[in-house]
Amino acid sequence: DGGITQSPKYLFRKEGQNVTLSCEQNLNHDAMYWYRQDPGQGLRLIYYSQIVNDFQKGDIAEGYSVSREKKESFPLTVTSAQKNPTAFYLCASSLIAGRENEQFFGPGTRLTVL
Amino acid sequence: LAKTTQPISMDSYEGQEVNITCSHNNIATNDYITWYQQFPSQGPRFIIQGYKTKVTNEVASLFIPADRKSSTLSLPRVSLSDTAVYYCLVVSSSTDKLIFGTGTRLQVFP
Repeated sequence: DGGITQSPKYLFRKEGQNVTLSCEQNLNHDAMYWYRQDPGQGLRLIYYSQIVNDFQKGDIAEGYSVSREKKESFPLTVTSAQKNPTAFYLCASSLIAGRENEQFFGPGTRLTVL
Repeated sequence: LAKTTQPISMDSYEGQEVNITCSHNNIATNDYITWYQQFPSQGPRFIIQGYKTKVTNEVASLFIPADRKSSTLSLPRVSLSDTAVYYCLVVSSSTDKLIFGTGTRLQVFP
């Protein structure tokens, strides 16, 4: 089955700790994205990558970091510098970056900072 | 980037047709209109995309008037499983980003 997987589904961390969220896709898509969603709100773009070894900041990149060493993988690290990290995190991919390309989303990771 | 405005919520009953209208007054010439559906605690799912006039697929229709300042997503004969949040997005030709608003929360009753 082709698709996007995110792990873990639920994640708890203590304040001041860094945590890495996994995102893997086997759709052979070039572009990958990370979004954050807060309760009752829409999605906000954190980072996106159009191709391996390249990525750009989205609208709310502060306190986050990413890497794109492989086409299939786009991990997101939530650092201790992120002031309010508790949220629902969604990873997506598209065949290529661009307006006509449908984005496919993973099931999400719900991060709670204790 | 063109901003979208859509109703916060809508209610319907099973079997009815639901029309959700989205306003995008500042849409640019090369922008597309795209709709996504999101169930609670899941990622959004692409529904339909269009540029002008009418687009239809197996789940919905999208109506876009000539001035393209608004669009209407039409869901024929909704069922309980159509209860979800529906997002209208204007996808800009100048950027690869998707801008999600707060969406329309559709509640379907039996």
